[in-house]
Amino acid sequence: NAGVTQTPKFQVLKTGQSMTLQCAQDMNHEYMSWYRQDPGMGLRLIHYSVGAGITDQGEVPNGYNVSRSTTEDFPLRLLSAAPSQTSVYFCASSYQTGAPNQPQHFGDGTRLSIL
Amino acid sequence: AQSVTQPDIHITVSEGASLELRCNYSYGATPYLFWYVQSPGQGLQLLLKYFSGDTLVQGIKGFEAEFKRSQSSFNLRKPSVHWSDAAEYFCAVGATASGTYKYIFGTGTRLKVLA
Repeated sequence: NAGVTQTPKFQVLKTGQSMTLQCAQDMNHEYMSWYRQDPGMGLRLIHYSVGAGITDQGEVPNGYNVSRSTTEDFPLRLLSAAPSQTSVYFCASSYQTGAPNQPQHFGDGTRLSIL
Repeated sequence: AQSVTQPDIHITVSEGASLELRCNYSYGATPYLFWYVQSPGQGLQLLLKYFSGDTLVQGIKGFEAEFKRSQSSFNLRKPSVHWSDAAEYFCAVGATASGTYKYIFGTGTRLKVLA
């Protein structure tokens, strides 16, 4: 059972480049989310999705796009990379029960550096 | 607005000593509370969760947490710390907003264990 799989694990980009961080889960979870982790700031929510075709913004959505065409996949797109987007990105998923009472399952993260 | 505060950025304890990590939350309704642990280079792993019932909850790896509504706290404890407990610990609250829900994380407490 793979759980939540994130690719790539490491990436270096130049300012202005675009890229997609991949996230896939095999647990049939409806709820998926993307966070960025920066020193001293904990995890901040970028975007989340409550099911295929439904996404919404989190706390820090600017510069990022998401889509959810299937239950399994929730890719995060950086439109034009900026040094401020250097961070560790985590994807997480959970069952959706109508209340936020289910723990999230996390991937191992993508470490992204923007030069 | 919902928020989670972990007042201690770093904590150092000796192996075998007891541990308490503090977490305070701000949320108007019944909170859904979680503690996660993050080892270096890894994603977050659930330690324990609370939504109702007994205010003292047991988790994995010998951890427990006590919910105190009057203090808006959900502190994590362990009677005897092992060197392998060195990691970063995150408190989180599941909150309902605008017909959906999201998870809000504290900024984390990094635990160092002295041999």
